[in-house]
This record gives sequence, structure tokens and C-alpha cells, in this order.
Amino acid sequence: NAGVTQTPKFQVLKTGQSMTLQCAQDMNHEYMSWYRQDPGMGLRLIHYSVGAGITDQGEVPNGYNVSRSTTEDFPLRLLSAAPSQTSVYFCASYGQGANTEAFFGQGTRLTVV
Amino acid sequence: DQQVKQNSPSLSVQEGRISILNCDYTNSMFDYFLWYKKYPAEGPTFLISISSIKDKNEDGRFTVFLNKSAKHLSLHIVPSQPGDSAVYFCAASRNDYKLSFGAGTTVTVRA
Repeated sequence: NAGVTQTPKFQVLKTGQSMTLQCAQDMNHEYMSWYRQDPGMGLRLIHYSVGAGITDQGEVPNGYNVSRSTTEDFPLRLLSAAPSQTSVYFCASYGQGANTEAFFGQGTRLTVV
Repeated sequence: DQQVKQNSPSLSVQEGRISILNCDYTNSMFDYFLWYKKYPAEGPTFLISISSIKDKNEDGRFTVFLNKSAKHLSLHIVPSQPGDSAVYFCAASRNDYKLSFGAGTTVTVRA
């Protein structure tokens, strides 16, 4: 059982480049989200989705786009990478019910130079 | 403005002793609290949770205490083991899927 899979694990981008971080889950969870982790800040919510075709902004959405065409996949797009987006990105999915544990992927470490 | 705060960035404890991790929150609308554990180069994994209608939840060596009036929760690990060395995140939600996380506490268990 793979759970939540993120690709790539590491990525270096030049300022201004765009890229897509992939996230897939095989647990048939409706709710998925993207967080970024920065030193001294914990994890902060970027975007989330409550089901296919439905997405919304989290705490720090600027510079990122998401879409949810299937239940399994929730890609995160960086439109024009900036050094401030250097971070570790985590995708999470949740089971039924709001107060349930989140299952996290292993993370993508992104460096923007 | 961080609504969940873990004011101790690190904690060192001897193997076999108790580890106590603290977490404070400012939003009185939070009604569900969770602790996650994270090893280097891995994603966070769920450890234990507590609903706001309770003041204590226990799971093996892990116990979470909630003091709603003080907006404070704590995680007790007894006894501490070397495998407990990790970063621990406190998180809170308002009966929705949007978790607010603290900055984390790095626990080191000394042999």
C-alpha cells in the first residue's frame, strides 16, 4: 500500500522557471492538501481540495496553482519560481470526517537559485 | 500570525525518563488537536490526537493533556526511548481539514 507518493524528492530551479510537484494517493481520500515547511515556521497550508474539481486557498497560496481532476492526483504548480519558494513541500490526504489524521508524503525539497 | 506555538525548539532527555512537550494556541475555535512525529527526510506521521471535549487521551507510552481554559496542551512520553528522537509538531483544527501547525520541538533521547 503506497499511501501518499510525491515526486520528485529533490529539485533545483532557477528563478523564473516553472514546475509541477506531483502528488498521488491510493487511499480514495476526498480531501488533499499541500503544505510547505520552513525553519521556525512549522508547516503552512498552501492549497487544499475537498474533492475532484474543488480547490481552495490556504494560508500561503501566492505563487502556486493547483487543480484536482481526479480523486487520486493533486499536483502543485509553481508558476514563476522565486528564492522565497525554497522550502520542503508536503502533500497530505485525509480520510472521512474533518477530525481525522492526515497521511503525508515523504516531501519534495525544492531549492530556487 | 502563528495560532499554534511550540516555544521550546529542542528537548534533551535521558533514555527511560519522561519527555514533556508543550504547545499553546490562541484560537478558541480550535476543537481538535493532534501531535505528529517527523524523522529527517520523511513526512510527518500521526502520533496521537485529542478532541476538545476531553482533557486526556492515552495511547501506550504517549499521553496528551488538554487544558482548554489555558489554551494549552502537552504530550508526555513515558518512558522515552532512543527511537523517539525526532521532531514533534503540535497541530490544531476547527472541525475542518485545515491544520495549523506549531514550529516543532526536536527531541533527543540520550542513552
